[in-house]
Amino acid sequence: EAGVAQSPRYKIIEKRQSVAFWCNPISGHATLYWYQQILGQGPKLLIQFQNNGVVDDSQLPKDRFSAERLKGVDSTLKIQPAKLEDSAVYLCASSTRGGTGELFFGEGSRLTVL
Amino acid sequence: GNSVTQMEGPVTLSEEAFLTINCTYTATGYPSLFWYVQYPGEGLQLLLKATKADDKGSNKGFEATYRKETTSFHLEKGSVQVSDSAVYFCALIRGGSQGNLIFGKGTKLSVKP
Repeated sequence: EAGVAQSPRYKIIEKRQSVAFWCNPISGHATLYWYQQILGQGPKLLIQFQNNGVVDDSQLPKDRFSAERLKGVDSTLKIQPAKLEDSAVYLCASSTRGGTGELFFGEGSRLTVL
Repeated sequence: GNSVTQMEGPVTLSEEAFLTINCTYTATGYPSLFWYVQYPGEGLQLLLKATKADDKGSNKGFEATYRKETTSFHLEKGSVQVSDSAVYFCALIRGGSQGNLIFGKGTKLSVKP
């Protein structure tokens, strides 16, 4: 069974530029999550989708971050414009449904903002 | 609010030593508790879980018991190996919630031969 795929693995940009990350979850998983993991901290949820609807985006900085999950399968997370404090690893995870706590994570996309 | 507190790392042990990583939580209701592990260069993966008080989760020689009276879920292993070197995250999800995991900051474990 293929795991959660993310790209790109690494990205370096200047502040105020834009960046997009892509995630393809495990086939058949209805729930998709984007987490932000800043160095030395635990992952923090940015947004949770159930199929193609948003369940929770309360911690998403909506002035600069956006995410979509068209057709309820893969998802894109965009940051525009980026700030220095956005330097982090962006983790995508999926699960069969919300509320189980049993998530399958991708390897992450590491963003460095200079 | 809901939160998880883990012991600060890094933790350095010799092979075959006993491991304890402390985790305490604050939550409304009756959360489910988890330990996730992140090996170098890999994504986070579920190590073990417990869904109610006094449950013991176990996997790969690791164990953790859900202690409601002390709001704790400490991770233990009797004899660590070099291959256990990783970052360990304690996490919770609120009982009855359709929501998401809340993670601690993680504890880095290094095991020396």
